Amino acid sequence: QQQVKQSPQSLIVQKGGISIINCAYENTAFDYFPWYQQFPGKGPALLIAIRPDVSEKKEGRFTISFNKSAKQFSLHIMDSQPGDSATYFCAASNNNNDMRFGAGTRLTVKP
Amino acid sequence: GAGVSQSPRYKVAKRGQDVALRCDPISGHVSLFWYQQALGQGPEFLTYFQNEAQLDKSGLPSDRFFAERPEGSVSTLKIQRTQQEDSAVYLCATSQGINQPQHFGDGTRLSIL
Repeated sequence: QQQVKQSPQSLIVQKGGISIINCAYENTAFDYFPWYQQFPGKGPALLIAIRPDVSEKKEGRFTISFNKSAKQFSLHIMDSQPGDSATYFCAASNNNNDMRFGAGTRLTVKP
Repeated sequence: GAGVSQSPRYKVAKRGQDVALRCDPISGHVSLFWYQQALGQGPEFLTYFQNEAQLDKSGLPSDRFFAERPEGSVSTLKIQRTQQEDSAVYLCATSQGINQPQHFGDGTRLSIL
């Protein structure tokens, strides 16, 4: 029962480019939408999160865009760097409990 | 400690054996979550504690899986009569409470032979 669908599965971007990852959800009760970054052998680390009362949130090079009517949200990584190469997961939850994750996007930033 | 600590980091067991995985939360974090992450997949929710109370165990895949947090701090995930399909990384996350960010440990990689 995949409640959060994420695309693309993998992404290759040149250094300095923009990385864009998209997610769509089904459950309208979801009210918290975080993005996590995971390196091999490590646990997911929270990057940025948004609630449905705003359409965009920016923290440094990372921006979440949120479209409540379409039930979609996306992560934009500006000026992508080789150190950003990792797997990115979107997630959705109700009250930050019972978090549902997307299947992940493996990002490779080429120098 | 500074972060969520999980032990052991790696566990190899033979099919049919019982295993116990431990999670030490960030001090003061009342909410604790267990997830299962298969290779190349996102984490899947297993169960959730608020202090010592297990409020949601809807994600536990079978009655062979059991979790406890008797004193509202350290939690143990136990898997009885392990099967090969139990092989995965088991992640623990904790948070300060409702609507607070979840912080993950580095997980226990379980391999069932």
